[in-house]
Amino acid sequence: DAKTTQPPSMDCAEGRAANLPCNHSTISGNEYVYWYRQIHSQGPQYIIHGLKNNETNEMASLIITEDRKSSTLILPHATLRDTAVYYCIPQNNAGNMLTFGGGTRLMVKP
Amino acid sequence: DAGVIQSPRHEVTEMGQEVTLRCKPISGHNSLFWYRQTMMRGLELLIYFNNNVPIDDSGMPEDRFSAKMPNASFSTLKIQPSEPRDSAVYFCASRDRGLTGELFFGEGSRLTVL
Repeated sequence: DAKTTQPPSMDCAEGRAANLPCNHSTISGNEYVYWYRQIHSQGPQYIIHGLKNNETNEMASLIITEDRKSSTLILPHATLRDTAVYYCIPQNNAGNMLTFGGGTRLMVKP
Repeated sequence: DAGVIQSPRHEVTEMGQEVTLRCKPISGHNSLFWYRQTMMRGLELLIYFNNNVPIDDSGMPEDRFSAKMPNASFSTLKIQPSEPRDSAVYFCASRDRGLTGELFFGEGSRLTVL
């Protein structure tokens, strides 16, 4: 599985967009990029995933660079409840597990 | 749907005692995963099952840990004998056969071994 690099922590003002970067320069052609988050004292929660096209759902948008070496998760209007650790995880669809790295601790401030 | 259900939510025990953690996956899901989370090591995959069969248990720390899935709706993770270093939050997750990377996690079982 590809290695990832995420900033350990970020702050964001409530109501503003939160842009969380992830570097996955060793990602292979058949690996998707998955994003999960973990709110304090809860289990991880799936957010979104993509292969090479940008994706959007009710929770977030995912922008993947054309060379697929990095991606950005965008929370368009961050709320206090978005404070969590966000994990970027490359995973191919033949794989059977997710390997969680250190993630980014996002703090949304009023 | 009630989601993935884990029990107990909290367990405090003494070193040497047997601990059994339980998980009920989402109905219809065919894969089940056990993870452990500590401050030092983060989230670690312990073992996962496909169609009730253990596929990869390479993450199980040692022989004191065992996991079973007797049917599609129930799994256990057992630690015998428990040690203080086993203190962690243990998460169970399940997955639908058609959604390879989308895992649904339970709320976790917080284990403290004194």
